[in-house]
Amino acid sequence: DTEVTQTPKHLVMGMTNKKSLKCEQHMGHRAMYWYKQKAKKPPELMFVYSYEKLSINESVPSRFSPECPNSSLLNLHLHALQPEDSALYLCASSHGGQEIIALHFGNGTRLTVT
Amino acid sequence: LAKTTQPISMDSYEGQEVNITCSHNNIATNDYITWYQQFPSQGPRFIIQGYKTKVTNEVASLFIPADRKSSTLSLPRVSLSDTAVYYCLVAPSGGYQKVTFGIGTKLQVIP
Repeated sequence: DTEVTQTPKHLVMGMTNKKSLKCEQHMGHRAMYWYKQKAKKPPELMFVYSYEKLSINESVPSRFSPECPNSSLLNLHLHALQPEDSALYLCASSHGGQEIIALHFGNGTRLTVT
Repeated sequence: LAKTTQPISMDSYEGQEVNITCSHNNIATNDYITWYQQFPSQGPRFIIQGYKTKVTNEVASLFIPADRKSSTLSLPRVSLSDTAVYYCLVAPSGGYQKVTFGIGTKLQVIP
């Protein structure tokens, strides 16, 4: 079990669907992240929120839309995805304080785009 | 951002000590070194963090030489359940981090 909870664990969607991935943490962390991981590759950073504000967008296509409703929640809204967007989507959080840089990851949402 | 280089894969027998070295030649003064373990279909799990010299916890030790241009993760007496991918990351302290992963080291523990 992890302290970062992601739902759903698995998601299959068509290219015309709209869906959302959800992430929740109750560790009081002030930074939250979305990563995308393809099979046998390292996680790739997509977005970073710091104190509920989008701080980093790694040139992610607009069909991925992040949202941070409050300090505990992070969403990733998906629309008009392509089959190549199929991957494991990982959420992480970090304390945001000095000298504490450990990232805490959820176990991800396995997304399949058909 | 400091780029990291690790061996792509390593094999080890059960019960042996495993040392995985990571090179980070352009590490900055305020950068910390962290290591993560990842099993298939799970998120990476934080193992250990260090700035200089040696850090030890219940899972591993981290050795960092004085020039900080490399670091070595040491796993004592590995078991089959330690088979995983291990990532070395370098990131600055404070606030949020633009943390990018290198390719990682695939450790295979052999019975």
